[in-house]
Amino acid sequence: GEDVEQSLFLSVREGDSSVINCTYTDSSSTYLYWYKQEPGAGLQLLTYIFSNMDMKQDQRLTVLLNKKDKHLSLRIADTQTGDSAIYFCADLHDVGKLIFGQGTTLQVKP
Amino acid sequence: DTAVSQTPKYLVTQMGNDKSIKCEQNLGHDTMYWYKQDSKKFLKIMFSYNNKELIINETVPNRFSPKSPDKAHLNLHINSLELGDSAVYFCASSPLAGGTDTQYFGPGTRLTVL
Repeated sequence: GEDVEQSLFLSVREGDSSVINCTYTDSSSTYLYWYKQEPGAGLQLLTYIFSNMDMKQDQRLTVLLNKKDKHLSLRIADTQTGDSAIYFCADLHDVGKLIFGQGTTLQVKP
Repeated sequence: DTAVSQTPKYLVTQMGNDKSIKCEQNLGHDTMYWYKQDSKKFLKIMFSYNNKELIINETVPNRFSPKSPDKAHLNLHINSLELGDSAVYFCASSPLAGGTDTQYFGPGTRLTVL
């Protein structure tokens, strides 16, 4: 089946690390993505990971993939108030079909 | 320069009307998509076109008809609008069909049906 799940809400203090978790069901996933949506705005691609990788780091962002458990996480180091947004995990299926999670609202308190 | 653009940004209309949303990408991509985001922020794919050919057609009412005049444009026409059509509609594009290509999203069109 096609299912991607995320927790709905995460609150952190400015300067702390944020970890947003995602689980998916498709065992044939090739790429997994993280998108960011600020209020009233479109979807901004943050990063992605290929399914044969365990980890990918890009500046303050670290993506961890546990393919056995079908678990993906996004860690944001030194979280800033500008990181407040909704974060979507997405699983790429064949012919370009992206299956999105429900989105995790990240609230960063000063 | 805007990579994926949509017009209009906001659309308010009455039930029963017919409306269109336009999407253009200047990235030279071959594939374009329409997604719907409901009031709970849930995103679901509706359609995908590759070089003007329909490749993904999810279970969407046939009141929704995508049209791709060329590979840089994918428009969405909606007939007989219903209250449940109120949502944000996102266009996206990617270099190739399927596989590993990253999709880039437009800013969205917020449709409100009264």
